[in-house]
Amino acid sequence: DQQVKQNSPSLSVQEGRISILNCDYTNSMFDYFLWYKKYPAEGPTFLISISSIKDKNEDGRFTVFLNKSAKHLSLHIVPSQPGDSAVYFCAASTNNDSGTYKYIFGTGTRLKVLA
Amino acid sequence: KAGVTQTPRYLIKTRGQQVTLSCSPISGHRSVSWYQQTPGQGLQFLFEYFSETQRNKGNFPGRFSGRQFSNSRSEMNVSTLELGDSALYLCASSFGNMNTEAFFGQGTRLTVV
Repeated sequence: DQQVKQNSPSLSVQEGRISILNCDYTNSMFDYFLWYKKYPAEGPTFLISISSIKDKNEDGRFTVFLNKSAKHLSLHIVPSQPGDSAVYFCAASTNNDSGTYKYIFGTGTRLKVLA
Repeated sequence: KAGVTQTPRYLIKTRGQQVTLSCSPISGHRSVSWYQQTPGQGLQFLFEYFSETQRNKGNFPGRFSGRQFSNSRSEMNVSTLELGDSALYLCASSFGNMNTEAFFGQGTRLTVV
């Protein structure tokens, strides 16, 4: 059962335009969401996060939007740059009953920014 | 501060063998999680250790096991290797007691032949 889903395996965007990566989740207990970027042969790098008490968080060119009612979050990159070409993973976590934190990842979206 | 260190970076094993991977978390982090990445499958959660105790476990067979030491370093062991175990194995460290980001190592690329 895939609790965190990224339904677009790939996305191509022209340099300078906006990239929008989407993520859906099924578990309403998730209360913290993260986006990671991954280059080949490297570990994922943390980009930005958002708590479930917010609906938007911005950091430079990256903005994450959370729609709790739709169980949907998105990552906006503006403007997109060729160096942003990578695989992007969304992740969700919850402080479950035992007080532990477990990160569940989506399958990733490969972003290609065209120069 | 030093990041998450995984050793070795690359490993080639034959079917039926066993393998041990190591992960040294960021200083002060008490949680270490292990993930398997294969093409098209994203990051599949294996297990998480906090203060030497396994707190969470994913849906992997018992051939996959791990442990954590008192200095928070963690090892993952896979016994009776199968071809399908070929993957990038990633570990992530975090404080483990609050909502905050986890930091990943560069991974160990395991190839089973």
